[in-house]
Amino acid sequence: DGGITQSPKYLFRKEGQNVTLSCEQNLNHDAMYWYRQDPGQGLRLIYYSQIVNDFQKGDIAEGYSVSREKKESFPLTVTSAQKNPTAFYLCASSLQRDLFFFGPGTRLTVL
Amino acid sequence: KQEVTQIPAALSVPEGENLVLNCSFTDSAIYNLQWFRQDPGKGLTSLLLIQSSQREQTSGRLNASLDKSSGRSTLYIAASQPGDSATYLCAVPGGSYIPTFGRGTSLIVHP
Repeated sequence: DGGITQSPKYLFRKEGQNVTLSCEQNLNHDAMYWYRQDPGQGLRLIYYSQIVNDFQKGDIAEGYSVSREKKESFPLTVTSAQKNPTAFYLCASSLQRDLFFFGPGTRLTVL
Repeated sequence: KQEVTQIPAALSVPEGENLVLNCSFTDSAIYNLQWFRQDPGKGLTSLLLIQSSQREQTSGRLNASLDKSSGRSTLYIAASQPGDSATYLCAVPGGSYIPTFGRGTSLIVHP
Protein backbone atom coordinates (compact mmCIF):
# COMPACT_ATOMS: atom_id res chain seq x y z
CA ASP A 1 0.00 0.00 0.00
CA GLY A 2 1.22 3.48 -0.81
CA GLY A 3 1.14 6.08 1.88
CA ILE A 4 2.84 8.05 4.60
CA THR A 5 3.88 6.59 7.92
CA GLN A 6 4.81 8.48 11.05
CA SER A 7 6.37 7.10 14.17
CA PRO A 8 5.99 6.97 17.02
CA LYS A 9 2.29 7.62 17.48
CA TYR A 10 2.89 9.02 20.97
CA LEU A 11 6.11 10.57 22.24
CA PHE A 12 7.09 11.99 25.60
CA ARG A 13 9.89 14.46 26.06
CA LYS A 14 11.66 15.50 29.21
CA GLU A 15 12.87 19.03 29.75
CA GLY A 16 16.10 19.74 27.86
CA GLN A 17 15.81 16.66 25.68
CA ASN A 18 15.91 16.48 21.89
CA VAL A 19 13.49 14.09 20.22
CA THR A 20 13.12 12.99 16.60
CA LEU A 21 9.86 12.28 14.81
CA SER A 22 9.99 9.96 11.84
CA CYS A 23 8.16 10.45 8.54
CA GLU A 24 8.43 8.04 5.60
CA GLN A 25 6.54 7.98 2.31
CA ASN A 26 6.47 5.47 -0.55
CA LEU A 27 4.43 7.63 -2.91
CA ASN A 28 7.51 8.82 -4.82
CA HIS A 29 6.57 12.41 -3.97
CA ASP A 30 9.18 15.12 -4.35
CA ALA A 31 7.84 17.45 -1.68
CA MET A 32 7.44 16.77 2.03
CA TYR A 33 6.19 18.98 4.85
CA TRP A 34 5.92 19.17 8.62
CA TYR A 35 2.96 20.87 10.30
CA ARG A 36 2.12 21.51 13.91
CA GLN A 37 -1.48 21.47 15.11
CA ASP A 38 -2.62 22.92 18.43
CA PRO A 39 -6.18 22.83 19.83
CA GLY A 40 -8.32 25.56 18.35
CA GLN A 41 -5.65 26.57 15.85
CA GLY A 42 -5.08 25.75 12.25
CA LEU A 43 -2.12 23.86 10.87
CA ARG A 44 1.11 25.78 11.04
CA LEU A 45 4.01 25.00 8.73
CA ILE A 46 7.32 24.14 10.43
CA TYR A 47 9.58 23.07 7.55
CA TYR A 48 9.20 21.86 4.02
CA SER A 49 11.39 20.22 1.41
CA GLN A 50 10.73 20.23 -2.30
CA ILE A 51 13.74 18.19 -3.30
CA VAL A 52 16.31 15.91 -1.71
CA ASN A 53 19.09 17.68 0.20
CA ASP A 54 17.16 20.93 0.31
CA PHE A 55 14.64 22.28 2.80
CA GLN A 56 13.11 25.59 3.78
CA LYS A 57 11.83 27.11 7.01
CA GLY A 58 8.13 27.55 7.42
CA ASP A 59 6.27 29.95 9.68
CA ILE A 60 7.35 28.44 13.02
CA ALA A 61 10.78 26.83 12.44
CA GLU A 62 12.45 28.06 15.64
CA GLY A 63 13.39 25.18 17.91
CA TYR A 64 13.05 22.56 15.16
CA SER A 65 15.45 20.99 12.67
CA VAL A 66 15.04 18.65 9.69
CA SER A 67 17.06 16.70 7.16
CA ARG A 68 16.21 15.33 3.73
CA GLU A 69 18.91 12.85 2.79
CA LYS A 70 16.52 10.49 1.00
CA LYS A 71 13.45 11.19 -1.10
CA GLU A 72 11.25 8.99 1.04
CA SER A 73 12.31 10.29 4.46
CA PHE A 74 11.93 13.65 6.22
CA PRO A 75 12.62 13.38 9.98
CA LEU A 76 11.86 16.27 12.32
CA THR A 77 13.91 16.93 15.45
CA VAL A 78 12.32 18.92 18.25
CA THR A 79 15.20 20.50 20.12
CA SER A 80 15.42 21.76 23.69
CA ALA A 81 15.19 25.29 22.25
CA GLN A 82 11.51 24.68 21.48
CA LYS A 83 9.91 25.89 24.71
CA ASN A 84 6.37 24.74 24.07
CA PRO A 85 6.59 21.55 22.02
CA THR A 86 3.42 19.82 23.26
CA ALA A 87 1.30 19.46 20.11
CA PHE A 88 0.13 17.13 17.38
CA TYR A 89 2.67 16.89 14.54
CA LEU A 90 1.61 16.04 11.01
CA CYS A 91 3.80 15.09 8.09
CA ALA A 92 2.57 15.49 4.51
CA SER A 93 3.81 14.91 1.00
CA SER A 94 2.76 15.95 -2.48
CA LEU A 95 3.64 15.97 -6.10
CA GLN A 96 4.27 19.61 -6.92
CA ARG A 97 1.03 21.58 -7.23
CA ASP A 98 -1.11 18.53 -6.68
CA LEU A 99 -2.87 16.47 -4.05
CA PHE A 100 -1.56 16.61 -0.52
CA PHE A 101 -1.40 13.42 1.52
CA PHE A 102 -0.99 13.33 5.28
CA GLY A 103 0.40 10.81 7.70
CA PRO A 104 -1.45 9.70 10.85
CA GLY A 105 0.39 12.14 13.13
CA THR A 106 2.58 12.01 16.24
CA ARG A 107 1.37 13.42 19.54
CA LEU A 108 4.25 14.89 21.52
CA THR A 109 3.89 15.64 25.20
CA VAL A 110 6.40 17.33 27.47
CA LEU A 111 6.72 15.72 30.90
CA LYS B 1 -0.27 36.46 2.16
CA GLN B 2 -3.09 34.00 1.57
CA GLU B 3 -5.64 33.83 4.39
CA VAL B 4 -8.33 31.17 4.63
CA THR B 5 -11.49 31.46 6.70
CA GLN B 6 -14.01 28.73 7.38
CA ILE B 7 -17.54 29.35 8.55
CA PRO B 8 -19.12 28.10 10.70
CA ALA B 9 -16.48 27.03 13.20
CA ALA B 10 -18.82 24.39 14.60
CA LEU B 11 -22.04 22.78 13.51
CA SER B 12 -24.38 20.29 15.19
CA VAL B 13 -27.22 18.81 13.16
CA PRO B 14 -29.60 15.86 13.27
CA GLU B 15 -29.01 12.96 10.97
CA GLY B 16 -30.39 13.33 7.45
CA GLU B 17 -29.86 17.06 7.00
CA ASN B 18 -28.13 18.51 3.98
CA LEU B 19 -25.18 20.70 5.00
CA VAL B 20 -23.13 23.50 3.52
CA LEU B 21 -19.66 24.30 4.82
CA ASN B 22 -18.01 27.50 3.66
CA CYS B 23 -14.42 28.38 2.86
CA SER B 24 -13.21 31.82 1.78
CA PHE B 25 -9.75 32.91 0.71
CA THR B 26 -8.19 36.31 0.15
CA ASP B 27 -6.01 35.71 -2.92
CA SER B 28 -8.07 34.42 -5.82
CA ALA B 29 -5.02 33.56 -7.95
CA ILE B 30 -5.11 29.90 -6.98
CA TYR B 31 -4.63 26.84 -9.16
CA ASN B 32 -6.56 24.42 -6.94
CA LEU B 33 -8.37 24.00 -3.64
CA GLN B 34 -8.50 20.88 -1.52
CA TRP B 35 -11.00 19.75 1.12
CA PHE B 36 -9.93 17.44 3.93
CA ARG B 37 -11.55 15.55 6.75
CA GLN B 38 -9.89 15.04 10.13
CA ASP B 39 -11.14 12.65 12.79
CA PRO B 40 -10.08 13.29 16.41
CA GLY B 41 -6.45 12.38 16.99
CA LYS B 42 -5.93 11.39 13.36
CA GLY B 43 -4.25 12.79 10.29
CA LEU B 44 -6.04 14.57 7.46
CA THR B 45 -7.81 12.60 4.75
CA SER B 46 -8.22 14.19 1.35
CA LEU B 47 -11.85 14.41 0.23
CA LEU B 48 -11.85 16.47 -2.94
CA LEU B 49 -9.43 18.45 -5.06
CA ILE B 50 -10.85 21.14 -7.35
CA GLN B 51 -8.63 22.55 -10.06
CA SER B 52 -8.94 26.25 -10.85
CA SER B 53 -10.51 25.44 -14.23
CA GLN B 54 -13.31 23.45 -12.57
CA ARG B 55 -16.46 24.72 -10.91
CA GLU B 56 -17.41 21.54 -9.07
CA GLN B 57 -16.18 18.15 -7.93
CA THR B 58 -18.33 15.34 -6.62
CA SER B 59 -17.56 12.23 -4.61
CA GLY B 60 -20.51 10.25 -3.34
CA ARG B 61 -22.58 12.46 -1.05
CA LEU B 62 -20.00 15.24 -1.18
CA ASN B 63 -19.99 18.07 -3.66
CA ALA B 64 -17.47 20.90 -3.62
CA SER B 65 -17.80 24.06 -5.64
CA LEU B 66 -15.26 26.75 -6.39
CA ASP B 67 -15.81 30.40 -7.30
CA LYS B 68 -12.39 31.93 -7.76
CA SER B 69 -13.63 35.40 -8.57
CA SER B 70 -15.39 35.72 -5.23
CA GLY B 71 -12.75 33.77 -3.30
CA ARG B 72 -15.14 31.12 -2.09
CA SER B 73 -15.63 27.38 -1.98
CA THR B 74 -18.45 25.38 -0.47
CA LEU B 75 -18.59 21.76 0.59
CA TYR B 76 -22.08 20.31 0.36
CA ILE B 77 -22.84 17.13 2.31
CA ALA B 78 -26.06 15.43 1.35
CA ALA B 79 -28.14 13.34 3.76
CA SER B 80 -25.69 13.64 6.64
CA GLN B 81 -24.90 10.59 8.79
CA PRO B 82 -23.34 10.21 12.26
CA GLY B 83 -20.24 8.84 10.54
CA ASP B 84 -19.76 12.24 8.90
CA SER B 85 -18.90 13.73 12.31
CA ALA B 86 -15.40 15.15 12.00
CA THR B 87 -13.55 18.39 11.35
CA TYR B 88 -13.52 19.57 7.75
CA LEU B 89 -10.67 21.74 6.51
CA CYS B 90 -10.05 23.51 3.25
CA ALA B 91 -6.62 24.42 1.89
CA VAL B 92 -5.47 26.71 -0.91
CA PRO B 93 -1.93 27.12 -2.20
CA GLY B 94 0.10 30.18 -1.35
CA GLY B 95 3.74 31.00 -2.05
CA SER B 96 5.91 28.12 -3.36
CA TYR B 97 2.69 26.11 -3.78
CA ILE B 98 2.52 25.56 -0.04
CA PRO B 99 -1.12 25.22 1.06
CA THR B 100 -2.64 27.52 3.62
CA PHE B 101 -5.27 25.87 5.79
CA GLY B 102 -8.42 27.20 7.37
CA ARG B 103 -9.10 26.38 11.01
CA GLY B 104 -11.83 23.99 10.02
CA THR B 105 -15.50 23.37 10.71
CA SER B 106 -16.20 20.90 13.50
CA LEU B 107 -19.27 18.88 12.53
CA ILE B 108 -21.39 16.70 14.79
CA VAL B 109 -24.23 14.70 13.27
CA HIS B 110 -26.40 13.20 15.98
CA PRO B 111 -28.78 10.27 15.46
